[in-house]
Amino acid sequence: LAKTTQPISMDSYEGQEVNITCSHNNIATNDYITWYQQFPSQGPRFIIQGYKTKVTNEVASLFIPADRKSSTLSLPRVSLSDTAVYYCLVGPLGSYKLIFGSGTRLLVRP
Amino acid sequence: DAGVTQSPTHLIKTRGQHVTLRCSPISGHKSVSWYQQVLGQGPQFIFQYYEKEERGRGNFPDRFSARQFPNYSSELNVNALLLGDSALYLCASSFLAGADRAYEQYFGPGTRLTVT
Repeated sequence: LAKTTQPISMDSYEGQEVNITCSHNNIATNDYITWYQQFPSQGPRFIIQGYKTKVTNEVASLFIPADRKSSTLSLPRVSLSDTAVYYCLVGPLGSYKLIFGSGTRLLVRP
Repeated sequence: DAGVTQSPTHLIKTRGQHVTLRCSPISGHKSVSWYQQVLGQGPQFIFQYYEKEERGRGNFPDRFSARQFPNYSSELNVNALLLGDSALYLCASSFLAGADRAYEQYFGPGTRLTVT
């Protein structure tokens, strides 16, 4: 399974747009890119998933360039409640297990 | 609808003891997975069960075992506890084991296990 690399931590302020980039140079043709969010003392929560170009839902947008070797999770106008750890995962849809890295700790300040 | 539930919430055990953690999946979900999350790290895959059969196992010793019941609930058992087993144990459920949304798993709040 493709290995992912993310920044360890990021700081932002309320109301700003936050972009978290994930590198996955060895992504396979049948791999999808999925992002999870985890608050302290809670289980991870699915945010968004995509294969190529751009995907948007009510929570975030996911940008994937043509070579698919990286992806960017974009959180518009963050609030204090967006403070969490964000995980980028790469793997085929048929995979029975999720491979988590260490994630990116996002701190949103007032 | 109720989400994934886990019990107990917290647990303190001593080295060498045995522990059983329980998980109830979302209604209609047939797959249950278990993950171990050590403080400061991402969750690590332990097991997946689908339709009461083990579908996958992570790199964990044989002290770890699990099973799934006819109602799709699941138990994770850990024998001969070590200090290093202290972690948050997460259960996740999904409708199918390998379908379109296999990567969308629904996690419970976890059981915090402390081994002293």
